[in-house]
Amino acid sequence: EVQLVESGGGLVQPGGSLRLSCAASGFTFSTYSMNWVRQAPGKGLEWVSYISIGSRTIHYAESVKGRFTISRDTAKKSLYLQMNSLRVEDTAVYYCVREREYSSSLDYWGQGTLVTVSS
Amino acid sequence: IQLTQSPSSLSASVGDRVTITCRASQGISSYLAWYQQKPGKDPKLLIYAASTLQSGVPSRFSGSGSGTDFTLTISSLQPEDFATYYCQQLNSFPYTFGQGTKLEIK
Repeated sequence: EVQLVESGGGLVQPGGSLRLSCAASGFTFSTYSMNWVRQAPGKGLEWVSYISIGSRTIHYAESVKGRFTISRDTAKKSLYLQMNSLRVEDTAVYYCVREREYSSSLDYWGQGTLVTVSS
Repeated sequence: IQLTQSPSSLSASVGDRVTITCRASQGISSYLAWYQQKPGKDPKLLIYAASTLQSGVPSRFSGSGSGTDFTLTISSLQPEDFATYYCQQLNSFPYTFGQGTKLEIK
């Protein structure tokens, strides 16, 4: 069974940093691209970042570019999101999401971890 | 690429046939997926590649379209189908989602 379990969320002050982790199991992590998607309270889904197999290709939403860094560790079967210079508008549930081959969809989602940026 | 869903909300009854549309601001071939999200839950993949049903999803869900215009159809609404639906394009980065369609019980 595919499982994606996020951790690392919490309350942080504006300008602060947080590192999210996602532990993957039930599939061959090294052979899938991965994404982070977020959802602000009461709002829709917003794609945040993408990392390809082998970390060869990385993309970010304009709203987080230069502040967030995505990475992966194949040996640990883990995905990460380093979030710096956090803003109030970064408050959201962050989902770790597996991408199906050929960019056809995001087929497995974690349960999400809540990040709250507030003073 | 902007995705515009319509309607933004919809009231319907059990047994109704419902159609949600998603229009892309430029052509995305068939790189479109549909998701269902219930309150407090993570999204669930329903349709990928515009018209392919994800394994385990009931056959009352179907998708169609290519290029810029896409539809999600639920042939006969069931009580468990009341949720919010999102389309997403994976043709190019940044990936984008539609604003969502909230399907409510009439």
